[in-house]
Amino acid sequence: GENVEQHPSTLSVQEGDSAVIKCTYSDSASNYFPWYKQELGKRPQLIIDIRSNVGEKKDQRIAVTLNKTAKHFSLHITETQPEDSAVYFCAASLATGRRALTFGSGTRLQVQP
Amino acid sequence: KAGVTQTPRYLIKTRGQQVTLSCSPISGHRSVSWYQQTPGQGLQFLFEYFSETQRNKGNFPGRFSGRQFSNSRSEMNVSTLELGDSALYLCASSQSTDTQYFGPGTRLTVL
Repeated sequence: GENVEQHPSTLSVQEGDSAVIKCTYSDSASNYFPWYKQELGKRPQLIIDIRSNVGEKKDQRIAVTLNKTAKHFSLHITETQPEDSAVYFCAASLATGRRALTFGSGTRLQVQP
Repeated sequence: KAGVTQTPRYLIKTRGQQVTLSCSPISGHRSVSWYQQTPGQGLQFLFEYFSETQRNKGNFPGRFSGRQFSNSRSEMNVSTLELGDSALYLCASSQSTDTQYFGPGTRLTVL
């Protein structure tokens, strides 16, 4: 089955700096890659997603890039703010319409004021 | 629209008991997926239901089961509870796209 590896497990940045979280997946058939943000005690919240026919997607301070050949995708957060502090999860889905997400192990992002 | 809701939010059971958790998807969403979240194993997919049919199943023992009703509400059941079943159980609903929206979860503690 699919396996998703996520790095780093923890990341500390200064407010205003950029943060990058990287994930690799094993199954080349995966074609949907969402990113979720989970604050302490709260539900995972979708922040951005990308499909395999797109190489990059941006939404304000957040961007995701996908390299299908290398089977990795990354989350980029620019101009980080203290409210960006949370655990971020990447995920991959094997095929469109089959909503079985395989998650990475998570990255705890701490933005220092 | 109201978001995904789950009941109960917290549950304490003892080993050997069984438990039923409920999930109400966003109105109009026909797919409901269930995930288990633990500190050790992270977020793991349990199963997905669409139009009252189980469409996908993760790698969990048969003690974990679920169902979906005609109004898309879903329940999951865990029988013969073990200490290791203590976890946050999340459900997520989706419409016609892959995007899944999570509920707040049910925190299950097995003593």
